[in-house]
Amino acid sequence: AQRVTQPEKLLSVFKGAPVELKCNYSYSGSPELFWYVQYSRQRLQLLLRHISRESIKGFTADLNKGETSFHLKKPFAQEEDSAMYYCALTRGYNQGGKLIFGQGTELSVKP
Amino acid sequence: DVKVTQSSRYLVKRTGEKVFLECVQDMDHENMFWYRQDPGLGLRLIYFSYDVKMKEKGDIPEGYSVSREKKERFSLILESASTNQTSMYLCASRGHMNTEAFFGQGTRLTVV
Repeated sequence: AQRVTQPEKLLSVFKGAPVELKCNYSYSGSPELFWYVQYSRQRLQLLLRHISRESIKGFTADLNKGETSFHLKKPFAQEEDSAMYYCALTRGYNQGGKLIFGQGTELSVKP
Repeated sequence: DVKVTQSSRYLVKRTGEKVFLECVQDMDHENMFWYRQDPGLGLRLIYFSYDVKMKEKGDIPEGYSVSREKKERFSLILESASTNQTSMYLCASRGHMNTEAFFGQGTRLTVV
């Protein structure tokens, strides 16, 4: 069964501090992993996907198949990063199917 | 500009009522999803549809049904609303060849 676990409900850091939001998954095949973000009063939107291997707004995430993890990192947090972050999983590239989300982590960046 | 539109932002319904939540997308996407979003529980998949008239249960389908008669529209039905179905409901769509999912603005349903 597909499952995504985000162990932290709330992560609070000061501006300029490094951030790491944890995501672990369980899936028997080759998954596709995503991070979605929801800013206050806005729609949920894609932040980044593992197949793109890109940095968005200074965030990066590396898929570690050995540890079944896809942690989101940023070296220097900004106040505008405060939001709800969700890790998500689906079947491998372009195979469609269920899109499963984790419990979410609220990131609060203090000035 | 891609769009997923949910018919209502806020709904208040009575216990036992039949409730319809509507979602329309204009991107010709094959896949559509209904989630409920609750604090501490994240997004939980209720149902998804991978084609017209095709559906598959998600993790929490009990008390819900869905309908997809046209590609662009995916409806969530609460057959007999109960107070434990008070929640934020999110609709999303996703194409086969485009891996990004696009979300609606959400419907906050309160059952009294």
